[in-house]
Amino acid sequence: DSGVTQTPKHLITATGQRVTLRCSPRSGDLSVYWYQQSLDQGLQFLIQYYNGEERAKGNILERFSAQQFPDLHSELNLSSLELGDSALYFCASKGVENAEAFFGQGTRLTVV
Amino acid sequence: GENVEQHPSTLSVQEGDSAVIKCTYSDSASNYFPWYKQELGKRPQLIIDIRSNVGEKKDQRIAVTLNKTAKHFSLHITETQPEDSAVYFCAASRSGAGSYQLTFGKGTKLSVIP
Repeated sequence: DSGVTQTPKHLITATGQRVTLRCSPRSGDLSVYWYQQSLDQGLQFLIQYYNGEERAKGNILERFSAQQFPDLHSELNLSSLELGDSALYFCASKGVENAEAFFGQGTRLTVV
Repeated sequence: GENVEQHPSTLSVQEGDSAVIKCTYSDSASNYFPWYKQELGKRPQLIIDIRSNVGEKKDQRIAVTLNKTAKHFSLHITETQPEDSAVYFCAASRSGAGSYQLTFGKGTKLSVIP
């Protein structure tokens, strides 16, 4: 158990719908990262938050948005879903300096 | 931003042989280089990391080397075992207060043939 909690584990939804993925970081970790992993693909960086503020943005579509709340949990919102959005979405949390980034178990999103 | 290239994308070795995976990075300010192992259907987990003030680090059968001048680092696995079969990702990041983006390579699928 990494200490990072992601919910739900699995999500099946229809095209055009909107979903929210949730991530609770490890206690004390201020940074949250979101990654998308499509089948047999690498970890595509989406966005990073640090202590409630957006810190870095990667290849995140305009249909996707995220935020980090005062209690440091984060949500990734995916809207107008397309078949190609089907993937594993990982969240990772990290402490300060060079601390290890811990990954949650991921949310597997299937768009049908 | 940082760009991390990883090679090879797939690697097959006989059990007991060594495996080497190489990565290059673009941001000369990066100074933290972790390696993650991801088994099928599971989350990536850190197996070893190295910081820029060190040229080599070893942990049992796993070692990582770093060449800051050339901006590349490598993972070495000796005496490979079937349970080493997984996807391995390298990553690079700056360090410091506030934390920075962690950029991953595209991964190497390692297969260890018994």
